[in-house]
Amino acid sequence: DADVTQTPRNRITKTGKRIMLECSQTKGHDRMYWYRQDPGLGLRLIYYSFDVKDINKGEISDGYSVSRQAQAKFSLSLESAIPNQTALYFCATSDLGTGGYEQYFGPGTRLTVT
Amino acid sequence: GENVEQHPSTLSVQEGDSAVIKCTYSDSASNYFPWYKQELGKRPQLIIDIRSNVGEKKDQRIAVTLNKTAKHFSLHITETQPEDSAVYFCAASEGGSNYKLTFGKGTLLTVNP
Repeated sequence: DADVTQTPRNRITKTGKRIMLECSQTKGHDRMYWYRQDPGLGLRLIYYSFDVKDINKGEISDGYSVSRQAQAKFSLSLESAIPNQTALYFCATSDLGTGGYEQYFGPGTRLTVT
Repeated sequence: GENVEQHPSTLSVQEGDSAVIKCTYSDSASNYFPWYKQELGKRPQLIIDIRSNVGEKKDQRIAVTLNKTAKHFSLHITETQPEDSAVYFCAASEGGSNYKLTFGKGTLLTVNP
């Protein structure tokens, strides 16, 4: 089945380290998103991309950067990780061809910054 | 930007009872309102959605109602079962876009056998 995958699934890193989270999809969708989930705060949008040349900031982009290497790949980087970036990170996709509304989520990456 | 408020944050019901979760939104241009279910340790998954030109939508035991005038929408689950236990998120399309969602903070629903 077409799916959204994320690597790694779990990661522990130290303050100040650079880390990259990767997202791949076989759905053929054009739009991709990165969210972070914190307990009691819901899902907050970090970045989103319509295609490899179109990257947009979400509501909490500070401290993060992204790269859309191909239609199917969207990576999230923490340039210098800090403890309050400890969270569950989700990648999602949507398809303009079917209206663009429904978003499909990956399994998530649990990141701990010590 | 859009602001979505969701209540309650936790809800506990007995199996077989109904559960209602409510959300309000601030952007009158919003036109798409999905509900996602996230089971423990799993990814959020869409369970039902509604567009602004519809007042109610049902799918078996779940239904969503929308009041555009009051800018609120609700999720109704009837005949709850233990497998309905999860975190539920409402969302609204920001600025009427079809690509950007603003999520509520979630409701932890527990269905007691």
